Amino acid sequence: AQKITQTQPGMFVQEKEAVTLDCTYDTSDQSYGLFWYKQPSSGEMIFLIYQGSYDEQNATEGRYSLNFQKARKSANLVISASQLGDSAMYFCAMREGPRAAGNKLTFGGGTRVLVKP
Amino acid sequence: NAGVTQTPKFRILKIGQSMTLQCTQDMNHNYMYWYRQDPGMGLKLIYYSVGAGITDKGEVPNGYNVSRSTTEDFPLRLELAAPSQTSVYFCASSDVRAYSNQPQHFGDGTRLSIL
Repeated sequence: AQKITQTQPGMFVQEKEAVTLDCTYDTSDQSYGLFWYKQPSSGEMIFLIYQGSYDEQNATEGRYSLNFQKARKSANLVISASQLGDSAMYFCAMREGPRAAGNKLTFGGGTRVLVKP
Repeated sequence: NAGVTQTPKFRILKIGQSMTLQCTQDMNHNYMYWYRQDPGMGLKLIYYSVGAGITDKGEVPNGYNVSRSTTEDFPLRLELAAPSQTSVYFCASSDVRAYSNQPQHFGDGTRLSIL
């Protein structure tokens, strides 16, 4: 089974509107972390936001927020007030296991977002 | 503020050739990683290291080798290049204290083509 699933291969969003990117995960660990990264066409990986499994509040970072539903094992990224510069690939990733195991990340397949003016 | 530096940025190899992808970080991070990203896909872990002298396999280690002689450097070696190794390779590092919200920091990637 896939550990991280991103079911939307591509999406269009109108400038200034909000967009939600889906991410579901599979783990038996109680302690884990979920990360979202942005990859623009230039190729670099940019960290956006983090949610820990024990965090009671949904994470927010500027225009990015995370809709964390632990029972459903989902961690959807919400981008508010989309800008043209938000056009990129977005990856959800999960860290499982104890710190000594290396803090390794497992990535989903990504969602491509194209913001229309 | 260099962060994670990868060299080269681009390389074309012939089948059977070997090469080393260089990665260095200046953040004193103990943990380092190598990922590969095939076109249109997510990243897959090749090897990782939790400190100098310690390396371990990730999800897709076949055809690669690594070493970690210093905290700063984590080179990735391809011994006999194969077309299946055509990919973009990313090196990353993270803080050993990072059990909570510290992300992995990525280099800009090396685009490698095997012809």
